[in-house]
Amino acid sequence: GIQVEQSPPDLILQEGANSTLRCNFSDSVNNLQWFHQNPWGQLINLFYIPSGTKQNGRLSATTVATERYSLLYISSSQTTDSGVYFCAVLTQGGSEKLVFGKGTKLTVNP
Amino acid sequence: NAGVTQTPKFRVLKTGQSMTLLCAQDMNHEYMYWYRQDPGMGLRLIHYSVGEGTTAKGEVPDGYNVSRLKKQNFLLGLESAAPSQTSVYFCASLPRQGTDTQYFGPGTRLTVL
Repeated sequence: GIQVEQSPPDLILQEGANSTLRCNFSDSVNNLQWFHQNPWGQLINLFYIPSGTKQNGRLSATTVATERYSLLYISSSQTTDSGVYFCAVLTQGGSEKLVFGKGTKLTVNP
Repeated sequence: NAGVTQTPKFRVLKTGQSMTLLCAQDMNHEYMYWYRQDPGMGLRLIHYSVGEGTTAKGEVPDGYNVSRLKKQNFLLGLESAAPSQTSVYFCASLPRQGTDTQYFGPGTRLTVL
C-alpha cells in the first residue's frame, strides 16, 4: 500500500519563528489533507490540498503531486500552534481509505 | 449541525468484556470511518463504510466488528476486549470520496485492564 512519511518527527521552535513540515507519499493521490491535533487530542482540518497552494492566515500548504510531496508552512508561530500535524492521503484508483503519516510533533515555546 | 459525535468519551473495561462505541453524523455523509490512535503510530484505519448497509475492513480490523444500519450511525463493537485494544478511537465521515475534507469526532479513550 501507499507509504506516507512526514518529517521532521519532532520540532521545537521559539514563538515567532517560521517552520516547514514535509509529507512525502509513495504513489499517486487524488486527495491530500493536513490536520492539526491539539494538546487536548482534537483533530482539526487545516487544508484539503491534492495539488497547488492554499493559504489560511499564518498557515499555507503546497502540494506538488507530480513529485509526490506536500509542504505545510507555519509563519510567526504561536504557542497555540503546538501539537501534532498529520498528513493523510487517499490513493487514486477508487480506494476510499485515508492513510495517515505518523505526524510531526511541534512544540512552540514562549 | 453537531458534526460528528462519539459516545462514550471515556470507558474502562476489564479483559473479556464487550462494548459498543457509537459514532453519529448529521451531515448526510456517505462514508464513515473508525480509526485507532496509539502513541507514535499515527491513526490506523480499523473499518470503514461507503454507505448504509455496507462495511469493509481497514488496516487493523482484528478483534472489532462494525455495523452501519442507518446512514447517520456507525457502530464499532469489541466482543471480547483485550489490553492491546487500549487506545483512543476516532470516528470520521466524508461527504464524497476523493473530493472533500474528512471530519473527525472528538475521540473515545478506552482502557482495557
